[in-house]
Amino acid sequence: DAKTTQPTSMDCAEGRAANLPCNHSTISGNEYVYWYRQIHSQGPQYIIHGLKNNETNEMASLIITEDRKSSTLILPHATLRDTAVYYCIVSLAPGISSGSARQLTFGSGTQLTVLP
Amino acid sequence: DTEVTQTPKHLVMGMTNKKSLKCEQHMGHRAMYWYKQKAKKPPELMFVYSYEKLSINESVPSRFSPECPNSSLLNLHLHALQPEDSALYLCASSQDRFSYGYTFGSGTRLTVV
Repeated sequence: DAKTTQPTSMDCAEGRAANLPCNHSTISGNEYVYWYRQIHSQGPQYIIHGLKNNETNEMASLIITEDRKSSTLILPHATLRDTAVYYCIVSLAPGISSGSARQLTFGSGTQLTVLP
Repeated sequence: DTEVTQTPKHLVMGMTNKKSLKCEQHMGHRAMYWYKQKAKKPPELMFVYSYEKLSINESVPSRFSPECPNSSLLNLHLHALQPEDSALYLCASSQDRFSYGYTFGSGTRLTVV
C-alpha cells in the first residue's frame, strides 16, 4: 500500500472550513484514498473515501488532484466535536478479487484542534 | 445494528493471568480485525480474519491468540503478557466485497501489571 504524508497538527476556528491535506505520491491506479478520524479514547470512525473523482457526504468532502498524488479532506463548518486525529490512508478496496480481506494501515495522522 | 461491541471496556491483568477480549458485530460482515494502539500512536494491525479464517498475522507474539468462533464473534486470548503490552485494543469489521468503510469498536483499554 502507498505511504501517505500529513501535517502533524492543524488548528481551525469553529464554524470555519477545515482543510486537511494529504500527500500520496506513490499511489497506484487501483488504490483508493480513505479518511478516518479518531476522537480521543474512541475507535476510529470512517469519514469518506474516493478513487479519482471528488466525493461528498454528510460529514465531509474529499478533493483528489487530477494526478491523484494528493488529496484534501474538507470539513465545511468545523465544530468543537470535530477535534480529533484525522488519518489519510491509501489502500485497495477489500475483497476485490480473491475474497480475502485487505487491511488498513494507519499513518501518523493530523491532530485537528477546533478552537472556540 | 450498526455497531461493533467490545468487552470489557477496561481490563487490568497480572503477567501470569489468562484473560480474553471479546468483539461482536451483527452487521453480516465477513472480515474482522484486531488492532493495537499505544498512547499517541496510530493503530497497528495485529490480525485479520476473513470468513472465519485467519488470513493475516502481523508477526504478533504467541502470547496473543485470536479466535473467530463464528462470523459475528472475534476473541483475543491473552496469556503471560508483559507491561509493554498495555494498550488500547481495537476490533473492526468490514463486509468482504467492495467494503469501503471499516466499523471500529470503542476498544478495550488493557493494563498489564
